[in-house]
Amino acid sequence: GAVVSQHPSWVICKSGTSVKIECRSLDFQATTMFWYRQFPKQSLMLMATSNEGSKATYEQGVEKDKFLINHASLTLSTLTVTSAHPEDSSFYICSAIDFLFSGELFFGEGSRLTVL
Amino acid sequence: KQEVTQIPAALSVPEGENLVLNCSFTDSAIYNLQWFRQDPGKGLTSLLLIQSSQREQTSGRLNASLDKSSGRSTLYIAASQPGDSATYLCAVNSGNTPLVFGKGTRLSVIA
Repeated sequence: GAVVSQHPSWVICKSGTSVKIECRSLDFQATTMFWYRQFPKQSLMLMATSNEGSKATYEQGVEKDKFLINHASLTLSTLTVTSAHPEDSSFYICSAIDFLFSGELFFGEGSRLTVL
Repeated sequence: KQEVTQIPAALSVPEGENLVLNCSFTDSAIYNLQWFRQDPGKGLTSLLLIQSSQREQTSGRLNASLDKSSGRSTLYIAASQPGDSATYLCAVNSGNTPLVFGKGTRLSVIA
């Protein structure tokens, strides 16, 4: 099946710094990618929809200036958590839809962010 | 607004049992429904995808059914194994909107 790669898997940073997470579709073109956030023992919360070549669409309550999303190519979307604070510590997961074939959604392995 | 509910929230069974996980959704106008598995601290792995025109999909010991008119899907796991222990999520794709996830069923298979 299709593969979505996410990097880094783990990141620890100091409060106030910015962290970039990359999401790549390895064997298909993804015009649309999604970024989710997951708190412990809870389901996924959609943060934003990332569209190649245009601005991301953010869900209500998600600060677009805090969580910068760039979808520069058909295989890469990045999420930058700016001026991170401890409350931003979470598990971030990206996903991409293989629209060309089945419409199936594939997920990256996730990135665990810990802000000290 | 589409809402997805999964029952039960948690399930513990002895190894070898067959089990059924349930998923219901409020809006039957869906494009497809997908079942995922999530291991602790990991991303999601796609298990089965059922298009709106299909009734069921099978992969190994897994069988997923879809009754779109009643807004229900079930995931059947045959001869459960300890390695099946994980959280199982169902998600509905309504076409132009992002997937809507249920809260998942946390499965423990005891050896």
